[in-house]
Amino acid sequence: DAGVTQSPTHLIKTRGQHVTLRCSPISGHKSVSWYQQVLGQGPQFIFQYYEKEERGRGNFPDRFSARQFPNYSSELNVNALLLGDSALYLCASSFLSSPLNTEAFFGQGTRLTVV
Amino acid sequence: AQTVTQSQPEMSVQEAETVTLSCTYDTSESNYYLFWYKQPPSRQMILVIRQEAYKQQNATENRFSVNFQKAAKSFSLKISDSQLGDTAMYFCASPGGSEKLVFGKGTKLTVNP
Repeated sequence: DAGVTQSPTHLIKTRGQHVTLRCSPISGHKSVSWYQQVLGQGPQFIFQYYEKEERGRGNFPDRFSARQFPNYSSELNVNALLLGDSALYLCASSFLSSPLNTEAFFGQGTRLTVV
Repeated sequence: AQTVTQSQPEMSVQEAETVTLSCTYDTSESNYYLFWYKQPPSRQMILVIRQEAYKQQNATENRFSVNFQKAAKSFSLKISDSQLGDTAMYFCASPGGSEKLVFGKGTKLTVNP
């Protein structure tokens, strides 16, 4: 079975541009979460979606937005890119909506570099 | 805010030896899961082991086991018979509410031949 797949794997953008990152969850998983991991740190929570509804939002500016589609895949959008947005963006899927009682499985990430 | 603390930024161990990675966490939940993830240079976060907080028994997964002390909010990972392929960043994670995981800063583990 395919795991969590993310595209693209690498991306270079210029300051001020917009970027869209994509994620396909494991088949049967209805929850998708997005995390940002800057170099040398642990992942930081950005968004969680379950059954196409936003269930949680981390402490990120409004330039960050996301959505989940009827097939449970998801997009993360970042507008007006800043140098500080350079990071590894991780997508995680899980069967249930809450990490209190379910495991999260991660994709290989998208490495975004803003120049 | 919920926090996860990994006090060992880097550790090294000889192949075939045992190493323990430390983690403390802070959550207001009563029933929850705790996780250790491994992140090799390939970047993918791989689930190593899961502990259900309502279970007294420590989780074990082949060479990986945890020492879970709920009252102390401590959740350490023991790797026995270390292998070169265990070289990676290891992250401890606990729920930060009902919608997210909170990760520590990680421990870089190097297994030496």
